Amino acid sequence: DQQVKQNSPSLSVQEGRISILNCDYTNSMFDYFLWYKKYPAEGPTFLISISSIKDKNEDGRFTVFLNKSAKHLSLHIVPSQPGDSAVYFCAASPVTGGGNKLTFGTGTQLKVEL
Amino acid sequence: DAGVTQSPTHLIKTRGQHVTLRCSPISGHKSVSWYQQVLGQGPQFIFQYYEKEERGRGNFPDRFSARQFPNYSSELNVNALLLGDSALYLCASSLRVTTNTEAFFGQGTRLTVV
Repeated sequence: DQQVKQNSPSLSVQEGRISILNCDYTNSMFDYFLWYKKYPAEGPTFLISISSIKDKNEDGRFTVFLNKSAKHLSLHIVPSQPGDSAVYFCAASPVTGGGNKLTFGTGTQLKVEL
Repeated sequence: DAGVTQSPTHLIKTRGQHVTLRCSPISGHKSVSWYQQVLGQGPQFIFQYYEKEERGRGNFPDRFSARQFPNYSSELNVNALLLGDSALYLCASSLRVTTNTEAFFGQGTRLTVV
């Protein structure tokens, strides 16, 4: 039972363009959502998060949008840079006992081409 | 400031053996969680500890156990290793266990069971 889904295993974008990574969830007890970036042989690096009381959070080139009614969130990276090439994981945290008890999606491999 | 540190970085064990993985959280972080990541999947939650008490357990067999020490470092133990236990084991620390909390990951321990 995959409670957090990333349906696109890979995405290829040209440098300078926008990258949009999508994530869907099924558990309505999730109320905090996070995006992590992972390079090979490294642990995931925290990128940005959003609480369910918001619909948008922005940090530099990264913006996360949350559509709670659709149980959908997306990460926008603009402009995309070659160093952004990595696997991106969407993660969700439950209402109770949430912090550091995350459910992850299967990841999307982003490739930013020159 | 030191991030989350894990040891060892790589480990090879034989089926049936026991393994202990170690984690030191970010200074000031009182919560540690463990995750297992197999190839092609997102990290899967194993355990959460806060102030030395177990606060959550994922869907893993009793062969998996963990503990947290007074200095907030943690150990993950796996008994009677199976080939399927081969994975990247990730430790994450966070300041608290409330829902709106970011978790920060170590680089992981790559366990290979032969």
